Amino acid sequence: DIVLTQSPGTLSLSPGERATLSCRASQSVSSSYLAWYQQKPGQAPRLLIYGASSRATGIPDRFSGSQSGTDFTLTISRLEPEDFAVYYCQQYGSSLYTFGQGTKLEIK
Amino acid sequence: QVQLQESGPGLVKPSETLSLTCTVSGYSISSGYYWGWIRQPPGKGLEWIGSIYQSGSTYYNPSLKSRVTISVDTSKNQFSLKLSSVTAADTAVFYCARSGLGATVYDYWGQGTLVTVSS
Repeated sequence: DIVLTQSPGTLSLSPGERATLSCRASQSVSSSYLAWYQQKPGQAPRLLIYGASSRATGIPDRFSGSQSGTDFTLTISRLEPEDFAVYYCQQYGSSLYTFGQGTKLEIK
Repeated sequence: QVQLQESGPGLVKPSETLSLTCTVSGYSISSGYYWGWIRQPPGKGLEWIGSIYQSGSTYYNPSLKSRVTISVDTSKNQFSLKLSSVTAADTAVFYCARSGLGATVYDYWGQGTLVTVSS
């Protein structure tokens, strides 16, 4: 089974700063099958990025995704107050889905 | 606009079966897509439970497979989850969601419903 490990567990930054969140897969994952979600307290997750680097409908362009081997990165270029939330990566393979444990992005 | 809404008991006794239904509006389940269940224990991360196609074909998380049944009722535009032999560890917010973009992601989600397992 593929395990997704997200780091850091918590990231403390200020509005306006750049955020870099990591998701490492335990084995090869097709870039087509890696997604990122944002979850705010009391809300359902929201799809941000699919196919490792494509933004979902309505997602601002300050959000971007990239891949290097089994390492996937979500970058928020300039943090807005509404970006502070928990972020999850998710992979799909063999009709099964796996989520990372999440990174909490908090205001410094 | 696709909308999903979970419904079912908020409290289930240990050893009993948890049953939830997801009602879909704005899209006909019989038209396609996979539909899934995801859960989130309080203060913890997301865990995929399983998914179902309109034809009834299902896929389950191997760690839960022995206790999970997902079914679909296209006439009511609903799909359902049953989780048997529950314990306190099954206490969670349960989400239903649509699997879009080639069934690789969950692009529409319900608001979630908290189910507590307690006597």
